[in-house]
Amino acid sequence: DQQVKQNSPSLSVQEGRISILNCDYTNSMFDYFLWYKKYPAEGPTFLISISSIKDKNEDGRFTVFLNKSAKHLSLHIVPSQPGDSAVYFCAASAGGATNKLIFGTGTLLAVQP
Amino acid sequence: AAGVIQSPRHLIKEKRETATLKCYPIPRHDTVYWYQQGPGQDPQFLISFYEKMQSDKGSIPDRFSAQQFSDYHSELNMSSLELGDSALYFCASRTRSGARETQYFGPGTRLLVL
Repeated sequence: DQQVKQNSPSLSVQEGRISILNCDYTNSMFDYFLWYKKYPAEGPTFLISISSIKDKNEDGRFTVFLNKSAKHLSLHIVPSQPGDSAVYFCAASAGGATNKLIFGTGTLLAVQP
Repeated sequence: AAGVIQSPRHLIKEKRETATLKCYPIPRHDTVYWYQQGPGQDPQFLISFYEKMQSDKGSIPDRFSAQQFSDYHSELNMSSLELGDSALYFCASRTRSGARETQYFGPGTRLLVL
């Protein structure tokens, strides 16, 4: 039972344009959401997070939007750069940030120069 | 800045052998998590420790055991290895002293069981 879903296995975007990665979840107990970026043969690198009490969090080129009623979150990258090309994982946890993370299946982002 | 250290980075074992994976958390981090990522899959939570005590348990086989030591490093012991245990094993650490400290991941140990 996949509680966190990323329905787009891959996404291709032109350099300088916006990348939008989507994530859906089913467990209403999730209250903390994170995005990680992963290169091959490396561990996931934390990008940005959002608590369920917020609907938006911004950090530089990265913005995460949370729609609790739709159980949906998205990561916007503006402007996209070739170095952003990687697999992006959405993750969620229940009961605060101390608990285990449930990961989505990942989206491979390719930013074309 | 110091990161999570995992050793070894690569490990090749035969079926039915044992393996020990080590994780050294970021200094002052008191919580360690272990995740397993199979080929083409998302990372799956195995087990976690807080202040040397097991804090949560996921889909960890009975053949696996883990512990956290007084210096906060953790070891994942895997016995009677099976082909299906071939995967990337990630360790993550965090501190509970921060309001919203996230989990920071190590580079992973790639285990291949032949």
